Amino acid sequence: ETGVTQTPRHLVMGMTNKKSLKCEQHLGHNAMYWYKQSAKKPLELMFVYNFKEQTENNSVPSRFSPECPNSSHLFLHLHTLQPEDSALYLCASSQGEGHGAGEAFFGQGTRLTVV
Amino acid sequence: GQNIDQPTEMTATEGAIVQINCTYQTSGFNGLFWYQQHAGEAPTFLSYNVLDGLEEKGRFSSFLSRSKGYSYLLLKELQMKDSASYLCAFMDSNYQLIWGAGTKLIIKP
Repeated sequence: ETGVTQTPRHLVMGMTNKKSLKCEQHLGHNAMYWYKQSAKKPLELMFVYNFKEQTENNSVPSRFSPECPNSSHLFLHLHTLQPEDSALYLCASSQGEGHGAGEAFFGQGTRLTVV
Repeated sequence: GQNIDQPTEMTATEGAIVQINCTYQTSGFNGLFWYQQHAGEAPTFLSYNVLDGLEEKGRFSSFLSRSKGYSYLLLKELQMKDSASYLCAFMDSNYQLIWGAGTKLIIKP
């Protein structure tokens, strides 16, 4: 299997639930990202991991908790979400440093609906 | 501050040429990127410009003017499969991508 794979593709959860999104990349990249994409809005960078170390947390609420156990896997743990958190959550990877970070490979995303 | 702007939606005819513009403001700049995103799919990398000028890649070309904070993506010989959103992003001084909201391109027969 190649590229960036995200599961699940769709998720509906209640505000009191706890769920996790999973991302796996088979490209040998050392940087992985979580983005939030809402309709008609720019991609919002949430978290960045370089060599398993978190290097960016763009003021994301604590109800979103990332985990990067190794350079191929990335999780986003969700708990007590709000309806406004409903969006497409995209995982991406890149060859880390400098300009190479701009050529990102994205997964298909998880369409999250909070009810 | 930083900002980036591109049109929300454009319509073009199959076989024609379309130019999607992107303007940006930033104090630190490390390149301009274009991505394509079909509905329900992942964004995919199209092009990267860091120096002024035109980069051609088949039917697609991308242009950059750093002094004007301006880029465009030029699509020639439009095909129906080119219907998608086109995302413009610049890389800031911290090598982070700052994204535009995307331009939805509708191709009509």
